[in-house]
Amino acid sequence: GQNIDQPTEMTATEGAIVQINCTYQTSGFNGLFWYQQHAGEAPTFLSYNVLDGLEEKGRFSSFLSRSKGYSYLLLKELQMKDSASYLCAVLGSARQLTFGSGTQLTVLP
Amino acid sequence: NAGVTQTPKFRILKIGQSMTLQCTQDMNHNYMYWYRQDPGMGLKLIYYSVGAGITDKGEVPNGYNVSRSTTEDFPLRLELAAPSQTSVYFCASSYLQISGNTIYFGEGSWLTVV
Repeated sequence: GQNIDQPTEMTATEGAIVQINCTYQTSGFNGLFWYQQHAGEAPTFLSYNVLDGLEEKGRFSSFLSRSKGYSYLLLKELQMKDSASYLCAVLGSARQLTFGSGTQLTVLP
Repeated sequence: NAGVTQTPKFRILKIGQSMTLQCTQDMNHNYMYWYRQDPGMGLKLIYYSVGAGITDKGEVPNGYNVSRSTTEDFPLRLELAAPSQTSVYFCASSYLQISGNTIYFGEGSWLTVV
């Protein structure tokens, strides 16, 4: 089976940096995804890590440590529009994509 | 560019009724998934398929059935609707080799069982 944990809620200030952590335990690993989801909408892709290390894409970066079963999503220069739910998802050995419960981020002015 | 198309977008069902959520993709993807999302929660995998004729259970399959007779279609069937099945349902599809931004989601189907 697969178990994915991430904080339920986080709050940060506009212009700041926030780190959202995700820990996982899986039977097989074929990559880790981060998605952003605004209320009432489908998830949208942010990042994908399959090897250890940091992937940077503009204001968003994602880190993976496979030996620790750990990832984080780093958001820089926070904007009000970044208020959303952030979902960590792991691709297992049978190609099933399992999501965590999501972290609701609120960006305050 | 149709991508992943789900129908209906909204539906109200009475307890005990049955219905099928349709999902079609026009990208020739091998993998297709059905998820449900309850308010304030993440996505829970109901069923998935790695190709035509092959389906597998996910985390929460009870009360649902699926079929994959063609590459394009992956319908989700609710046989005896229950209030616990009130949720938002998302269909998704992807390439055989999943990497990066290759998982596509439908827009979601809002289902209420009363």
